Amino acid sequence: EAGVTQFPSHSVIEKGQTVTLRCDPISGHDNLYWYRRVMGKEIKFLLHFVKESKQDESGMPNNRFLAERTGGTYSTLKVQPAELEDSGVYFCASSQFLAGGKTQETQYFGPGTRLLVL
Amino acid sequence: GEDVEQSLFLSVREGDSSVINCTYTDSSSTYLYWYKQEPGAGLQLLTYIFSNMDMKQDQRLTVLLNKKDKHLSLRIADTQTGDSAIYFCAESKIINNAGNMLTFGGGTRLMVKP
Repeated sequence: EAGVTQFPSHSVIEKGQTVTLRCDPISGHDNLYWYRRVMGKEIKFLLHFVKESKQDESGMPNNRFLAERTGGTYSTLKVQPAELEDSGVYFCASSQFLAGGKTQETQYFGPGTRLLVL
Repeated sequence: GEDVEQSLFLSVREGDSSVINCTYTDSSSTYLYWYKQEPGAGLQLLTYIFSNMDMKQDQRLTVLLNKKDKHLSLRIADTQTGDSAIYFCAESKIINNAGNMLTFGGGTRLMVKP
């Protein structure tokens, strides 16, 4: 079974440009998460989808970030315009939907996209 | 508030035990996780413990949880060079009854010397 994949693995752009990151979750996983680790900081939650619906986007830093999951399969995270402080590693994770009172959930992470804004 | 802290670095000799410590602040966490990240790879789930347990053992891994002190540890027995990686602890909170938000520590880089 294929794991979570992310594209591109690396991206180097100039300040003010636009970058779109893509995440393909494990097939059948309704939950999809974006996290990021900026330089010298912890990995932080950005947002959570259930299928195509955004459930929680409390971690999105500002309105330069836009995440979509059209059709409830893959997701994109667009940064427009990119700023220097957006540099870091962006992780995507997916999991099965919590149902029937279940609370334990294993999130499977992709390898991340390393973004460098110059 | 939510804050998870770990020491930055640990160095051990092959065959010794490694103990990686973590402290967290959110007493409402349901589960606590340990993830491993090898160079160029994503985060791999190693093990987890329910917040009402105090110990869990899984082969060479032992997780100890002191809920009163909000202290979590991961012990790796007979540490091997292949265990060299960054280890992240994370606490989880249910969001919208559909999934969990993970709050991570900064990661502990484990170096195993032959």
